[in-house]
Amino acid sequence: GAGVSQSPSNKVTEKGKDVELRCDPISGHTALYWYRQSLGQGLEFLIYFQGNSAPDKSGLPSDRFSAERTGGSVSTLTIQRTQQEDSAVYLCASSFDGTGDTYEQYFGPGTRLTVT
Amino acid sequence: KQEVTQIPAALSVPEGENLVLNCSFTDSAIYNLQWFRQDPGKGLTSLLLIQSSQREQTSGRLNASLDKSSGRSTLYIAASQPGDSATYLCAPKAGGFKTIFGAGTRLFVKA
Repeated sequence: GAGVSQSPSNKVTEKGKDVELRCDPISGHTALYWYRQSLGQGLEFLIYFQGNSAPDKSGLPSDRFSAERTGGSVSTLTIQRTQQEDSAVYLCASSFDGTGDTYEQYFGPGTRLTVT
Repeated sequence: KQEVTQIPAALSVPEGENLVLNCSFTDSAIYNLQWFRQDPGKGLTSLLLIQSSQREQTSGRLNASLDKSSGRSTLYIAASQPGDSATYLCAPKAGGFKTIFGAGTRLFVKA
């Protein structure tokens, strides 16, 4: 089957605008993760969804960031009033079950966000 | 708070050489540890996952070991090839759902 897909692959936006990034996980995967990778930096955890449980939002850097996951599948990461420091590659990953120790995370190709 | 360190930060080797990438982490209460490679401008590709109860995993020319008590993992690459050039990331998964990534080792294999 298909892997994790993300759209758009590239997004250029003006400072102050809102953006929405989309992630389609692998079918059947109940766990979904969002990460951010800034230029020259490591991956930074943002948010985690597991099934119908309340998401772990502990990694979101500010209240301008939010995410939702509809029907336990597709997820949207929204950044309001974008700032230049939001420029990064946003990566989505999914796995069968986030609570177990045996399941690998599979990553999408990422969305490169540039805020001008 | 989990901290992950990868050594070396960068490595350049001639083709055919065997090499070892190191990963250390501060919180030994991990569920598993995953090694990834990342090619420039691309997402992450999973290489190996070691469960907390395992000591090592092998896939082709790759072998990853895990010593939870000392907070260390190594990735061994045998007979390196130019196609192995990439950034290698280790990611221990500790309590809760967070996976913390190291900054990576940038590997360049010269033909």
